[in-house]
Amino acid sequence: QVQLAESGGGVVQPGKSLRLSCAASGFSFSNHAMHWVRQAPGKGLEWVALIWYDGSLTYYADSVKGRFTISRENSENTLYLQMSRLRVDDTAVYYCARAHGQHFDYWGRGTLIIVSS
Amino acid sequence: QSALTQAPSASGSPGQSVTISCTGTSSDVGGYNYVSWYQHHPGKAPKLVIYEVSKRPSGVPDRFSGSKSGNTASLTVSGLQTEDEADYYCSSYAGNNNWVFGGGTKMTVL
Repeated sequence: QVQLAESGGGVVQPGKSLRLSCAASGFSFSNHAMHWVRQAPGKGLEWVALIWYDGSLTYYADSVKGRFTISRENSENTLYLQMSRLRVDDTAVYYCARAHGQHFDYWGRGTLIIVSS
Repeated sequence: QSALTQAPSASGSPGQSVTISCTGTSSDVGGYNYVSWYQHHPGKAPKLVIYEVSKRPSGVPDRFSGSKSGNTASLTVSGLQTEDEADYYCSSYAGNNNWVFGGGTKMTVL
């Protein structure tokens, strides 16, 4: 079955960088676009970024544009989110999700990032 | 503040029907038939229950149904069961490779 497992979360100081990973299994990873979505404490979900199935195109929410980079390694069935110049308001649980049309058909359990000094 | 507006809570007794609303604008909910709904039990992976306004993925009970009128989408859970107690989030495609979500509705089964 489709499984997505995020990792790389933790506590990081403002201004620092962190890379998240999402290990995919149970489906043909290289055939699917992938998203990152986040949820700040007590808040709703927020779309973060999208990468096409082959990595050729990427799109970002305005709130992270220029600071975050989404990438993928299809040979290793892994999705990444490189986060730099982190801010306190980037504190959230970060989910990877598989794209299907204009919705998200499978999600991981998320990994928590806390940005704090 | 989330782009789509949802009531923070909803409740019903087992067997009853409960409807959750999701209000956006003509740039998202009203402009596309790409509204989806997600069920989230805290600590678990969110689960897709409705996509493209009213379509149900395989394996989702037909107790879950979706609709849309203008800038407002709705999710109805009929024949409420204890396992339906969860947070529910709506989402809409908003054009230009951008997606928006609601703030979530906590469904309580009394």
